[in-house]
Amino acid sequence: GDSVTQMEGPVTLSEEAFLTINCTYTATGYPSLFWYVQYPGEGLQLLLKATKADDKGSNKGFEATYRKETTSFHLEKGSVQVSDSAVYFCALSDLEGGSYIPTFGRGTSLIVHP
Amino acid sequence: EADIYQTPRYLVIGTGKKITLECSQTMGHDKMYWYQQDPGMELHLIHYSYGVNSTEKGDLSSESTVSRIRTEHFPLTLESARPSHTSQYLCASSANRGNSPLHFGNGTRLTVT
Repeated sequence: GDSVTQMEGPVTLSEEAFLTINCTYTATGYPSLFWYVQYPGEGLQLLLKATKADDKGSNKGFEATYRKETTSFHLEKGSVQVSDSAVYFCALSDLEGGSYIPTFGRGTSLIVHP
Repeated sequence: EADIYQTPRYLVIGTGKKITLECSQTMGHDKMYWYQQDPGMELHLIHYSYGVNSTEKGDLSSESTVSRIRTEHFPLTLESARPSHTSQYLCASSANRGNSPLHFGNGTRLTVT
């Protein structure tokens, strides 16, 4: 079946540092890829998405590029802020067994210090 | 602005009680989901629905049941709560297109004593 593997956290950075959170996937079909963010005490919310190879999703300074050759969708941000502290989930949506059931990674906690 | 609502936000109950966690969405989405989120933040799919009168079990056997009588409403029921049910429960919905993202509620934090 499909799966998503993302780097374990917590990732701890100082403000204005560069962020990379790695995500790789396995899928039987041609999935759409997503990054979600979960702030403390809230549900997940969509951060960005990409639906085909070489697409770049971007939002709030975050970017991720759909790399089909390496089956990866790494999340990057050039300069993180304290307000970016949250848990980040990589996910895919694939037609598996006749239905689109989302598959999530285990989440990566990001802590940004002033 | 939340278009998907979960109630209650927090619930503390005793073992053996029957409880229903409510979830409603105003977006007209056909697909709805219930996830259990463990302390390590991993999400486990426990139930989902493709539309009215459709319900399916997910990967995690949680001894719960769901119903989908109306498009906007997808309640989760525990017939007899146990301490092992203590967790965060997240409801989500999505449009019918395969690559549509999920919209999540803010969750219900359940504690069974």
